[in-house]
Amino acid sequence: DIVMTQSPDSLSVSLGERATINCKSSENILYSSNNKNYLAWYQQKPGQPPKLLFYWASTRESGVPDRFSVSGSGTDFTLTISSLQAEDVAVYYCQQYFRPPRTFGQGTKVEIK
Amino acid sequence: QVQLVQSGGGVVQPGRSLRLSCAASGFIFGNHAMHWVRQAPGKGLEWVAVVSYDGLNQDYADSVKGRFTVSRDNSKNTLYVQMNRLKTEDTAVYFCARDACTFGCAKEGFDHWGQGTLVTVSS
Repeated sequence: DIVMTQSPDSLSVSLGERATINCKSSENILYSSNNKNYLAWYQQKPGQPPKLLFYWASTRESGVPDRFSVSGSGTDFTLTISSLQAEDVAVYYCQQYFRPPRTFGQGTKVEIK
Repeated sequence: QVQLVQSGGGVVQPGRSLRLSCAASGFIFGNHAMHWVRQAPGKGLEWVAVVSYDGLNQDYADSVKGRFTVSRDNSKNTLYVQMNRLKTEDTAVYFCARDACTFGCAKEGFDHWGQGTLVTVSS
């Protein structure tokens, strides 16, 4: 199975400051024939199901604020919240869909400092 | 609007069985593969199973293979998972989720989720 490893496990950020979450896959998840990274990002707020934020590593889901951005390719990816808002408190997960089973990272908890 | 409404769940003894349902509305159910994902208390997300859009193909996580069966009834717009020989480590909130991919996969990922249902396996 492809192992997805996120860092850090948790971070505390002041309101308005930047939050950066890293996701590393154990294998290259860039498919050369279509030049697409088979990676999704999700946000899960307490007591709620996850919400899709990005797919194909960098395609923003409808309604996701532009303070959320992503970067990376191959095995290393980053989700950035440019100016943390109170409503961004959540656990964030990356997920690969390059090869079954569709594995998730362990999650990164974002809190307000 | 897309809705996935789950039912089933509850407390069950180890070794017993349980069936979860996920009723879909607001989209063409038969166009999408459907997944089950679970989350143990205080833990992260674990993909459990998938059934193809037509119900003909399934795949499972190793942790549930041989014990869980995923199925769907496209005439009823409903997804199921039959969970047999339950273990204490199956205790989790179970989510159904829609696969965003249709006809060429311009979109991917799990774009709509059910509300989740708690399954507790305990004697």
